[in-house]
Amino acid sequence: DAKTTQPPSMDCAEGRAANLPCNHSTISGNEYVYWYRQIHSQGPQYIIHGLKNNETNEMASLIITEDRKSSTLILPHATLRDTAVYYCIVRVRFGNEKLTFGTGTRLTIIP
Amino acid sequence: GAGVSQTPSNKVTEKGKYVELRCDPISGHTALYWYRQSLGQGPEFLIYFQGTGAADDSGLPNDRFFAVRPEGSVSTLKIQRTERGDSAVYLCASSFAGGPNTGELFFGEGSRLTVL
Repeated sequence: DAKTTQPPSMDCAEGRAANLPCNHSTISGNEYVYWYRQIHSQGPQYIIHGLKNNETNEMASLIITEDRKSSTLILPHATLRDTAVYYCIVRVRFGNEKLTFGTGTRLTIIP
Repeated sequence: GAGVSQTPSNKVTEKGKYVELRCDPISGHTALYWYRQSLGQGPEFLIYFQGTGAADDSGLPNDRFFAVRPEGSVSTLKIQRTERGDSAVYLCASSFAGGPNTGELFFGEGSRLTVL
């Protein structure tokens, strides 16, 4: 699986959009971008994934650059409950089942 | 319950003892994963089961670690001759491998192991 690079920490004001960047410059054509988050003392939680088109669900939006070398996870209206470590992971969707986690970005929502 | 269940939630043991950690995945999920997480680190992959068989055990650190899933549902992670360095949170996850949401893993709350 390709490696990803994320900033170790970020702050965001409550109610604002949180934009979390991820670099994955060695991503292969058949690898997807996945985002998970881990709230303190809980297991990781799936957020969203995408291949090359932008994706949106009830939790977040995922913007992937045209060259697919980077992406941004957007939490449109951050709340205190969004304080967590966010992991960006790239992997083949079928066949290679394990997810390889890095150290992620610790996002702190400021009241 | 509807989620992945792990027991015990906390386990304190002495160096050299044997430990078993149990994972009860979401009903119908064919894939099951074990990870461990040390303080300040991301989860580290240990082993992945597809059904009853271990499809990828490349993350098991040494032969003191072993996992089974005899009936393709509940799994047990077994650690022999525990060492202080084994102290971590052990996470279990399951997924419906091969379906439209392949790649979406559902994690349990973890079992915190402390080796004194």
